[in-house]
Amino acid sequence: GAVVSQHPSRVICKSGTSVKIECRSLDFQATTMFWYRQFPKQSLMLMATSNEGSKATYEQGVEKDKFLINHASLTLSTLTVTSAHPEDSSFYICSARILAEHNEQFFGPGTRLTVL
Amino acid sequence: DAKTTQPPSMDCAEGRAANLPCNHSTISGNEYVYWYRQIHSQGPQYIIHGLKNNETNEMASLIITEDRKSSTLILPHATLRDTAVYYCIVRAESNYQLIWGAGTKLIIKP
Repeated sequence: GAVVSQHPSRVICKSGTSVKIECRSLDFQATTMFWYRQFPKQSLMLMATSNEGSKATYEQGVEKDKFLINHASLTLSTLTVTSAHPEDSSFYICSARILAEHNEQFFGPGTRLTVL
Repeated sequence: DAKTTQPPSMDCAEGRAANLPCNHSTISGNEYVYWYRQIHSQGPQYIIHGLKNNETNEMASLIITEDRKSSTLILPHATLRDTAVYYCIVRAESNYQLIWGAGTKLIIKP
């Protein structure tokens, strides 16, 4: 199956700093990538949908100025958590969609963000 | 809101078949049933999906009732590595969004 990678796998930062998370589709081109957030013992919550070359679409309640998404190429999307605070500590997961595969989503391994 | 209902947790003995039920009584005619699992601190992993007919692959079997209002995921010979949260999701092929419920936490015991 298609492979999606994320980097870094875990990051610890101080409150007020910004953190960038990369999501790459390794062996296919993804016109659409998704970003999810998962708090401990909870299910995945969709944060935003990003299409290559256009602005991301954010879900209700997700601050677009705090969670900056860039999808500059067909294989790379980035999520930047700006001015991170402890409440932003979470597991961030990206996925990529393949049109030719019945709109299947393939998921990255996730990034564990801890804000001190 | 999730369109499926699953038991919050289940236990299964190693080597036995694990049968995970899912209710989706409001499923539409064009919606598929998908199963994913998430091992602790990892991204979700696709398992199987189906529309009407039963499906089998190298990981599992999917049994869908004739009225399509429920389904069962079967892991034929569960191993300790199958311990995970299993999610049942319904979606139309044209709709790429996945709505995640709480899933079933499956614990495989030695």
